[in-house]
Amino acid sequence: SQQGEEDPQALSIQEGENATMNCSYKTSINNLQWYRQNSGRGLVHLILIRSNEREKHSGRLRVTLDTSKKSSSLLITASRAADTASYFCATDNPPTRLTGGGNKLTFGTGTQLKVEL
Amino acid sequence: DGGITQSPKYLFRKEGQNVTLSCEQNLNHDAMYWYRQDPGQGLRLIYYSQIVNDFQKGDIAEGYSVSREKKESFPLTVTSAQKNPTAFYLCASSISPGLNEQFFGPGTRLTVL
Repeated sequence: SQQGEEDPQALSIQEGENATMNCSYKTSINNLQWYRQNSGRGLVHLILIRSNEREKHSGRLRVTLDTSKKSSSLLITASRAADTASYFCATDNPPTRLTGGGNKLTFGTGTQLKVEL
Repeated sequence: DGGITQSPKYLFRKEGQNVTLSCEQNLNHDAMYWYRQDPGQGLRLIYYSQIVNDFQKGDIAEGYSVSREKKESFPLTVTSAQKNPTAFYLCASSISPGLNEQFFGPGTRLTVL
């Protein structure tokens, strides 16, 4: 089953605007990662935030993590047409007796971002 | 250039045939993964390998098989037992299992005719 669920499923904005995507998850995590996928291509890693971190920045990207609400957000500031892509969150969960081994990522369903000129 | 490659980019197969998708990495990564992506969906884990000669089933392993005889190679066989094999298949690797980012190949789009 999918651990992460992104919201919204699709987002359309104008170039220069900010884009915010949210991810909710169900069980405890070691870390949460955000990936980007251009249409028909592989995924590219954007940023990793550990469970003991609350906020992280990388260029125009800002990620927050609220473990009490089991949610994360990805903010892209001053968006560009080249930011058009799908964005996925992925959680790395510690192993449990129910799920067995850890050491694997569980991906959400993604947010499709379209940035228009 | 270091990276992870998948071949072929597009693959067509008749029903009832097995087909093997290639995944090679020269990043010296221990862990490798196979995912399936259906249109408009996220990634689902098929199999993963944390070290050579070892692999574990993911969430949707039925109808698939893998091998990990070499560190740099992790081929995926889609067998005739897989009921709905048409999908986009992505291979990934990471330095070690768990906490590290995964590096993805460009994907193979498999279509069953």
